[in-house]
Amino acid sequence: AQSVTQPDARVTVSEGASLQLRCKYSYSGTPYLFWYVQYPRQGLQLLLKYYSGDPVVQGVNGFEAEFSKSNSSFHLRKASVHWSDSAVYFCVLSALVATGGNNKLTFGQGTVLSVIP
Amino acid sequence: EAAVTQSPRSKVAVTGGKVTLSCHQTNNHDYMYWYRQDTGHGLRLIHYSYVADSTEKGDIPDGYKASRPSQENFSLILELASLSQTAVYFCASSGQNTGQLYFGEGSKLTVL
Repeated sequence: AQSVTQPDARVTVSEGASLQLRCKYSYSGTPYLFWYVQYPRQGLQLLLKYYSGDPVVQGVNGFEAEFSKSNSSFHLRKASVHWSDSAVYFCVLSALVATGGNNKLTFGQGTVLSVIP
Repeated sequence: EAAVTQSPRSKVAVTGGKVTLSCHQTNNHDYMYWYRQDTGHGLRLIHYSYVADSTEKGDIPDGYKASRPSQENFSLILELASLSQTAVYFCASSGQNTGQLYFGEGSKLTVL
């Protein structure tokens, strides 16, 4: 079984401050990990993804995430947030299933980020 | 231009009525998905398809049917809509073995 936990349902930060959104996963195999962002009344958009290699991956709009196998974590970071970063952020685990090639995706419950101007 | 488009974007239905949500993708992807999002929750997989004329059950298929008449189109059908099916529904597509999804903008369904 696989699972994704985002322990912080809501995070509020001031504009210009640094940000970390936490993500912990449980999976016995090698995970593919993603962060998606959902702006109000829109679908989800990919921020960044990790397949293998360098544990720090860069994404769009200054976001980065660090994969830690020992901690089973994939935390999202940004050095300086902007009010436009206010959105819901989802951590997603992909476990590829050989039969039929289905991408078994597990979503975290999301973290609502509010940036105070 | 949007590569995954959903219709309708918003719908109000009556309990017991039939609802069809449609999805069209121009990504040339084999995989298409229907997810449900409830307030305060992540997305849950209802049905998916990896080839035309074939659909598979996801994690919460009860009360839903799906249809994939072509690679580009994937529909979600609620034969007898219920109050508990009020939610926002997202369609997505992906290539094989990438895990990266491309989402539509969602369809907000309210069942009264």
